[in-house]
Amino acid sequence: AQKITQTQPGMFVQEKEAVTLDCTYDTSDPSYGLFWYKQPSSGEMIFLIYQGSYDQQNATEGRYSLNFQKARKSANLVISASQLGDSAMYFCAMREGRGGATNKLIFGTGTLLAVQP
Amino acid sequence: DGGITQSPKYLFRKEGQNVTLSCEQNLNHDAMYWYRQDPGQGLRLIYYSQIVNDFQKGDIAEGYSVSREKKESFPLTVTSAQKNPTAFYLCASNPLDRLYGYTFGSGTRLTVV
Repeated sequence: AQKITQTQPGMFVQEKEAVTLDCTYDTSDPSYGLFWYKQPSSGEMIFLIYQGSYDQQNATEGRYSLNFQKARKSANLVISASQLGDSAMYFCAMREGRGGATNKLIFGTGTLLAVQP
Repeated sequence: DGGITQSPKYLFRKEGQNVTLSCEQNLNHDAMYWYRQDPGQGLRLIYYSQIVNDFQKGDIAEGYSVSREKKESFPLTVTSAQKNPTAFYLCASNPLDRLYGYTFGSGTRLTVV
């Protein structure tokens, strides 16, 4: 069965520094997608970045990059130049298959990031 | 702008009552989902639907019911059979013809009083 593991319940980072949020996954399907979402205290889920299992390069979106290590089943999120507004809960999620009937997202337990001035 | 609207934002329920949470999308997405979030836990899938008049149970469907009479709407009813309904509920949608594109609503916080 597919599973997402986030082992860091909480993290602190100084403003302007980089931070890595860990995510490991388990699946037997060779085709899958990995997602990172940000959830501020308001509760909305904000999509940050996506990595497909067949993508050759690590995904990047502005200050966000995904360190994808397929053999280790690891998909860590790297936030560069942290800002106070980055303080939020961060969730890693996975979708098995290539979409269509297998579009369910499975979530990890999240990491609470606090950016300190 | 297109998006998902969840209402109400806050909901209080007395024990033994059924309540219905609304979820409406104008994105023309085929699939819709309901997730439950408890403190310290991730999102857990309650129900999902990929087509009108069809839906499937997720991991924690007991005590919940849904309907999908229109493509735009996917209401969730929390029944009295749900033993611990106090939680944050999130609705999401996704176009089935894309690998990603999930959109989430802003959530409903349900409290049993």
